[in-house]
Amino acid sequence: QLQLQESGPGLVKPSETLSLTCTVSGGSISSSSYYWGWIRQPPGKGLEWIGSIYYSGSTYYNPSLKSRVTISVDTSKNQFSLKLSSVTAADTAVYYCARHERIAVADSWGQGTLVTVSS
Amino acid sequence: DIQMTQSPSSLSASVGDRVTITCRASQGISSWLAWYQQKPEKAPKSLIYAASSLQSGVPSRFSGSGSGTDFTLTISSLQPEDFATYYCQQYNSSPFTFGPGTKVDIK
Repeated sequence: QLQLQESGPGLVKPSETLSLTCTVSGGSISSSSYYWGWIRQPPGKGLEWIGSIYYSGSTYYNPSLKSRVTISVDTSKNQFSLKLSSVTAADTAVYYCARHERIAVADSWGQGTLVTVSS
Repeated sequence: DIQMTQSPSSLSASVGDRVTITCRASQGISSWLAWYQQKPEKAPKSLIYAASSLQSGVPSRFSGSGSGTDFTLTISSLQPEDFATYYCQQYNSSPFTFGPGTKVDIK
């Protein structure tokens, strides 16, 4: 059974870089059938797609975040990661990692991790 | 960006009711639409992709329809475990935007 687990700091200072890792178990991140991506949800609000990566390293980013976002993959560890630079309070959200079929349909999700941006 | 709207924003219904949620895209997206269910404090769950294809394991009381700009999610007979918030998402073009959600609660 596929499982995804987010890890990383729950508190980040303004202007710093948010870094999260998603560890995939029960399946290979090198599968040619899927992308792997990040989606966030500010408290009490809706969902925002951040970006997706293929095991080969090809990426799609939300243009509104593209200048600040980097998604990378480590196939040897079966992990992929998110870095979001120059964060502000507006980046406070639950961050989900997910397996994406058809590039953007998130068919399997991690439990989510709350990241708060505050000094 | 393609804007997604949903109606209603919330609804109250009883167990056994037929429930329909509408999603509209600001421009045509063919059938590149997905539906998700989210319960409080939980990650969303994928229900439907390609507007009408049910994900594996999703009960058959859920169905989706539509193409172009107008889509619907129907729950044929609402069950207690279906009380949740439902989101549509277009994946026709990046950024892959979500609707604002429709909360279904108990009447």
